[in-house]
Amino acid sequence: DTGVSQDPRHKITKRGQNVTFRCDPISEHNRLYWYRQTLGQGPEFLTYFQNEAQLEKSRLLSDRFSAERPKGSFSTLEIQRTEQGDSAMYLCASSLGDRRSYEQYFGPGTRLTVT
Amino acid sequence: ILNVEQSPQSLHVQEGDSTNFTCSFPSSNFYALHWYRWETAKSPEALFVMTLNGDEKKKGRISATLNTKEGYSYLYIKGSQPEDSATYLCAFSGRRALTFGSGTRLQVQP
Repeated sequence: DTGVSQDPRHKITKRGQNVTFRCDPISEHNRLYWYRQTLGQGPEFLTYFQNEAQLEKSRLLSDRFSAERPKGSFSTLEIQRTEQGDSAMYLCASSLGDRRSYEQYFGPGTRLTVT
Repeated sequence: ILNVEQSPQSLHVQEGDSTNFTCSFPSSNFYALHWYRWETAKSPEALFVMTLNGDEKKKGRISATLNTKEGYSYLYIKGSQPEDSATYLCAFSGRRALTFGSGTRLQVQP
């Protein structure tokens, strides 16, 4: 399967701990997006990369959050000093090119629970 | 702040029923409207991407229409089957990345 993969699928952590998630996009896709989804809501945009450059960050992305895509392939999303409000599904998506109409292909998500 | 609204929030239908959902979105700075199906424990699956006013797309029993001037899209499912049970998300593509509605959760009873 050459779709978008995310690791881990589930993460339970204690408040105050740091967590890191990984996303592997479809190999030829140069755009990579991170979204967060909480119960009863649709996914909300966090940040996106064009190759290795982080081009936009949402106001939702506090300074405890950092994302990287060092070689323009896989990406990591780190949350430092986790809080209970960080509990959510974190989704990664990738797309080809920069046209607005291009489909974004999603991974299965990482579900984070902060206790 | 972009507002993408979906209705209804949830829907329970019997197998064989036809159903439809609504997505409303800002009519300015429009680039594209996406529909996704999201089954539990799976990745959201792209159904349609529509860009032109009046667009109609069809995939099997599922079809969608787009009105960019008034800012709405309809998704239709003909003859619902239990495997259609999922959350259906619409997403507006404007200046930034996708802005999603909160989804319509469909449950089809056999």
